[in-house]
Amino acid sequence: DTEVTQTPKHLVMGMTNKKSLKCEQHMGHRAMYWYKQKAKKPPELMFVYSYEKLSINESVPSRFSPECPNSSLLNLHLHALQPEDSALYLCASSQDEGYEQYFGPGTRLTVT
Amino acid sequence: RKEVEQDPGPFNVPEGATVAFNCTYSNSASQSFFWYRQDCRKEPKLLMSVYSSGNEDGRFTAQLNRASQYISLLIRDSKLSDSATYLCVVTYDYKLSFGAGTTVTVRA
Repeated sequence: DTEVTQTPKHLVMGMTNKKSLKCEQHMGHRAMYWYKQKAKKPPELMFVYSYEKLSINESVPSRFSPECPNSSLLNLHLHALQPEDSALYLCASSQDEGYEQYFGPGTRLTVT
Repeated sequence: RKEVEQDPGPFNVPEGATVAFNCTYSNSASQSFFWYRQDCRKEPKLLMSVYSSGNEDGRFTAQLNRASQYISLLIRDSKLSDSATYLCVVTYDYKLSFGAGTTVTVRA
């Protein structure tokens, strides 16, 4: 089973709201990732967690805050977002860093 | 220079045709190579890994040319369902770099 799940599928939030995106995998993968994807562009890496520790932060603004509660779960906490943060947010996991990644269906975020 | 470059297309081909396209990468020390496909408003899905010896999966054939620093994907006997954007992915130092994608449209 190569399934990564994400909730919610869609999210509309105002610039003063606080919300969280959730990602789960049960493949025993040790690396998990957050990506942001704008229309007609490739995914852009935001964060990498390896063995539940933050491994890479691609200079993401602090209004995005990742959390890895355990090896199966990855959250992305959102606060005071801007309209330009509207995008598809993708979670992915892999056996270890550098291996092929499996993506979840994404959360389509709209910031109003 | 971008790390990974792809011809954006679109490649418009009739059903049953063969279509092929390449992806070039700039870092000669790149370690792993993959092709993903992405349908409109969906997540990328792993199509195949690309090995040094080349590999085939049904109608899809991937090749790696380290000397010239490119990988290729060939689709034989195209189906309507092959219409998608194909993303080339290259890894170095455990980090994936994505190409911008090649759009393929198969018409009836």
